[in-house]
Amino acid sequence: DAGVTQSPTHLIKTRGQQVTLRCSPKSGHDTVSWYQQALGQGPQFIFQYYEEEERQRGNFPDRFSGHQFPNYSSELNVNALLLGDSALYLCASSGTGAWGNTIYFGEGSWLTVV
Amino acid sequence: QKEVEQNSGPLSVPEGAIASLNCTYSDRGSQSFFWYRQYSGKSPELIMSIYSNGDKEDGRFTAQLNKASQYVSLLIRDSQPSDSATYLCAVIYNQGGKLIFGQGTELSVKP
Repeated sequence: DAGVTQSPTHLIKTRGQQVTLRCSPKSGHDTVSWYQQALGQGPQFIFQYYEEEERQRGNFPDRFSGHQFPNYSSELNVNALLLGDSALYLCASSGTGAWGNTIYFGEGSWLTVV
Repeated sequence: QKEVEQNSGPLSVPEGAIASLNCTYSDRGSQSFFWYRQYSGKSPELIMSIYSNGDKEDGRFTAQLNKASQYVSLLIRDSQPSDSATYLCAVIYNQGGKLIFGQGTELSVKP
């Protein structure tokens, strides 16, 4: 049973460019959340997708957008990249209404903006 | 005011000692509480969850929750060098909700 898979694992982008990160949730999970973790900080919630719709959103600008596909996989898109967007981007999957004890994280995508 | 606060550390303990990690949260409506372990360069790994007041033990780990004081802690007994990592405290306010993390406490266990 595959866990949460993310791609790519590492990438380097230039300021102003756009990036797309991908996530496949754990089998049986239908909810995908994205988090940003800057160096030395705890993860910060970006948004959550359920039934192909954004259900919750954190305090991130609309340069951050996402999508969920019918197979529950998800993408995170960031436009007009800034140096401050350099971080570890984590995808978390869970079942419907999960209280958190079944929230699983992928290994993350390391984004460096230069 | 941050919603979840932890001492950033680093916390250094000798091998075999008890490591005590603390966390406070601001929202009394918080329902679920978690401790994640994160090794350098890796993603967070859930090690403990607790939902009601009191203690919950799992092997060398004990989570303690005091909702009246809005305080949750993690004790690691017989600390090992392999326990050296950053420990993240997280809360959820509602079913299906987002995890809100503290900034993490770096633990170093010295042989």
